[in-house]
Amino acid sequence: AQKVTQAQTEISVVEKEDVTLDCVYETRDTTYYLFWYKQPPSGELVFLIRRNSFDEQNEISGRYSWNFQKSTSSFNFTITASQVVDSAVYFCALSEAYGGSQGNLIFGKGTKLSVKP
Amino acid sequence: GAVVSQHPSWVICKSGTSVKIECRSLDFQATTMFWYRQFPKQSLMLMATSNEGSKATYEQGVEKDKFLINHASLTLSTLTVTSAHPEDSSFYICSAPTRDRVLYEQYFGPGTRLTVT
Repeated sequence: AQKVTQAQTEISVVEKEDVTLDCVYETRDTTYYLFWYKQPPSGELVFLIRRNSFDEQNEISGRYSWNFQKSTSSFNFTITASQVVDSAVYFCALSEAYGGSQGNLIFGKGTKLSVKP
Repeated sequence: GAVVSQHPSWVICKSGTSVKIECRSLDFQATTMFWYRQFPKQSLMLMATSNEGSKATYEQGVEKDKFLINHASLTLSTLTVTSAHPEDSSFYICSAPTRDRVLYEQYFGPGTRLTVT
């Protein structure tokens, strides 16, 4: 069965600190996708990144970086020099790939990040 | 990029009435759409998979007679909450997968906040 675990329920940091959000996943499939979404208070999901299971390269996008390690089934997300605008709930999610398309997403429980000035 | 819209963005209804939520893919065709539900301070949980031209597939514990799904065209899926009760108050989000030449993408609507009084 597929499962996504975000062990950190809430994290509070002070502005300019670095923060890492953990994500551990379980799947029996060899082909799958991993995602991170940001959900601000408005509720709309903001897409941050998608990774497929064959691409283990780490990625950096501005202050955001992601570390994908298949050996530990982890896909961690780091925000460098956090800002108040980063305050939100962050979801890690997993999707199978089948039939030439993408299945539904299995979401972790989310990590609420509060960045204080 | 591709866009998925939802209407209405929020709705308040009285207990016992029915509410219809629309999910539209604006610039691509979606043979499959997913409906998720998010209760306050919780994660997104898949309710059902909407398939164009065939019956929806419901997740365990979701009453198909209460949550009616109609995927009448390749760009529109509707979710009707029948005889709504206060416990149906939630944030409902749809998504649609699509594929360009290389990449699979999954696009989420902005969500519909339902409050049943």
